[in-house]
Amino acid sequence: SAVISQKPSRDICQRGTSLTIQCQVDSQVTMMFWYRQQPGQSLTLIATANQGSEATYESGFVIDKFPISRPNLTFSTLTVSNMSPEDSSIYLCSHSAYSYNEQFFGPGTRLTVL
Amino acid sequence: QKEVEQDPGPLSVPEGAIVSLNCTYSNSAFQYFMWYRQYSRKGPELLMYTYSSGNKEDGRFTAQVDKSSKYISLFIRDSQPSDSATYLCAMSGASNFGNEKLTFGTGTRLTIIP
Repeated sequence: SAVISQKPSRDICQRGTSLTIQCQVDSQVTMMFWYRQQPGQSLTLIATANQGSEATYESGFVIDKFPISRPNLTFSTLTVSNMSPEDSSIYLCSHSAYSYNEQFFGPGTRLTVL
Repeated sequence: QKEVEQDPGPLSVPEGAIVSLNCTYSNSAFQYFMWYRQYSRKGPELLMYTYSSGNKEDGRFTAQVDKSSKYISLFIRDSQPSDSATYLCAMSGASNFGNEKLTFGTGTRLTIIP
């Protein structure tokens, strides 16, 4: 499977600011996904990002809060906007060749909002 | 009620023991079943992928799916300290039915004691 990297690996941010997380894949992939993993909770899908189309957001997540870009088949960004302490979490990107199944994950970005 | 239930543990077993990890689910539309392994401060790694009911074996790992009971299991034989990680189950329905996204369990934290 294609190797995924994320930047930054971790960050500590102030309330009200925004952070953009980058996800880079070392080969072209069709589907990319963004998840949130909060302590003691399961991975929650934020949105699906396919190249050439607007990201599809899951219930409870909106574009104004989590804008996503997918400019090509190897790269995506997730911005966490106007952050609050409740946004403290691990943010993960993943990819899949053909479907939602068999997803492969990046190492994650550990975000703390003060 | 959550769609996928997984005992969070922690589970500690001695090296060499057989480990049994389980998930139950309520959505009868689920047809694809995955197990992911997540080491501390790393992203989830796809371990096993199973379609529909039955068993699948890969080295020391065996995945079982019982759709009639809505119950899936992961067995680890001859457990090693390197197996110490959090194990997440995930599942999805068939594509084109709108339920193909992955639904994750909360994960079971496993420690193998040397």
